[in-house]
Amino acid sequence: EIVLTQSPGTLSLSPGERATLSCRASHSLSSSFVAWYQQKRGQAPRLLIYGVFNRATGIPDRFSGSGSGTDFTLTISRLEPEDFAVYFCQQHGTSPYSFGQGTKLEI
Amino acid sequence: QVQLVQSGAEVKKPGASVKVSCKASGYTFTDYDINWVRQAPGQGLEWMAWLNPNDGNTGHAEKFQGRLSITRDTPIGTAYMELSSLTSEDTAVYYCARQFYSASGSLGYWGQGTLVTVSS
Repeated sequence: EIVLTQSPGTLSLSPGERATLSCRASHSLSSSFVAWYQQKRGQAPRLLIYGVFNRATGIPDRFSGSGSGTDFTLTISRLEPEDFAVYFCQQHGTSPYSFGQGTKLEI
Repeated sequence: QVQLVQSGAEVKKPGASVKVSCKASGYTFTDYDINWVRQAPGQGLEWMAWLNPNDGNTGHAEKFQGRLSITRDTPIGTAYMELSSLTSEDTAVYYCARQFYSASGSLGYWGQGTLVTVSS
């Protein structure tokens, strides 16, 4: 089973700042099979990034993904108030399709 | 538009089973896999299983071996997740989610979630 470890657990920033979220895999991943999700309290997760760097429909370009092998990054270039939420990475190349434990982005 | 509508909240006793439905609309049901993901209170996301609605093939996380059943009713565009031998550790919100595009495991469309509470 591939374990994904996200860091930091909590990230405290202000609107307008840049956020960098990390996801490290226990085994090398195919770049096609890494996704990022945003989840707000009481809501279902929302797909932000698929295939490491592709933005899903309607996702603003301040969100970007990068990485390869075992290290992947989600960057939010200029934080908006609505971006403060929990973010999860996921690998879906090898079953079970595991998620990271999440990074809470707080003001 | 793509919609996944799940059945309502359930309260079950330890040892019982629960069956959650996920009705799809807005697309051809058999064209995209459905996944099941759960989230315990205050915790992260846990992937459980996938279903190919076209041929009924499934795959699931090993930890659910023997007590998880994923099925579908193709004519009505509905997927089902049944979990048996429930314990308090199974208390969670259960989500169904659809592939964002065919041949991708990224989950682009989600149901609203179904809270399953296991309590004596």
